[in-house]
Amino acid sequence: KAGVTQTPRYLIKTRGQQVTLSCSPISGHRSVSWYQQTPGQGLQFLFEYFSETQRNKGNFPGRFSGRQFSNSRSEMNVSTLELGDSALYLCASSREGNYGYTFGSGTRLTVV
Amino acid sequence: DAKTTQPTSMDCAEGRAANLPCNHSTISGNEYVYWYRQIHSQGPQYIIHGLKNNETNEMASLIITEDRKSSTLILPHATLRDTAVYYCIVRTEYNFNKFYFGSGTKLNVKP
Repeated sequence: KAGVTQTPRYLIKTRGQQVTLSCSPISGHRSVSWYQQTPGQGLQFLFEYFSETQRNKGNFPGRFSGRQFSNSRSEMNVSTLELGDSALYLCASSREGNYGYTFGSGTRLTVV
Repeated sequence: DAKTTQPTSMDCAEGRAANLPCNHSTISGNEYVYWYRQIHSQGPQYIIHGLKNNETNEMASLIITEDRKSSTLILPHATLRDTAVYYCIVRTEYNFNKFYFGSGTKLNVKP
């Protein structure tokens, strides 16, 4: 079956711009989580959505936001981009219950 | 929330068993131990998880001590493709906000 699909794979943006990243979870998975990975901070939890509702949120500023659609696809948005937002953004989906996440390959964002 | 402690790096000879330790001394009764690995520039890959019993699947075995304060991931016959960063994570079934990856262990499998 198809895995978690993230688009685009690579993105270059300028400081001050905004960006939207997309994630299509595995069919049947209703939970979608987002993570930011940087060399200095490692993998950090951004937020998690379930049935179109944000269920948990990590410690990121309000410039980072997300949403989930009725088909479980999710988007995250970063406004007013800063150089420090350059990172690999990973999306993961899961079935409800005690199952592991399945991660996508990520979107590598470079802010210049 | 239980945090984990792992060695920064480990070496293993190809074909030998790789034993990756993890300390989670503050784990609570309803927290599971998960293992993921991340091969360079790819998304993390789920390996195995357990609560208190030892677990085995096609990828690895997970040994959890009786007091649950530590665990060991065993790759029985390491190959060069197993070179990756391995993360030990503890989490409750429903508290996704507590999915801390930590720094992980860089496993270097050498020919």
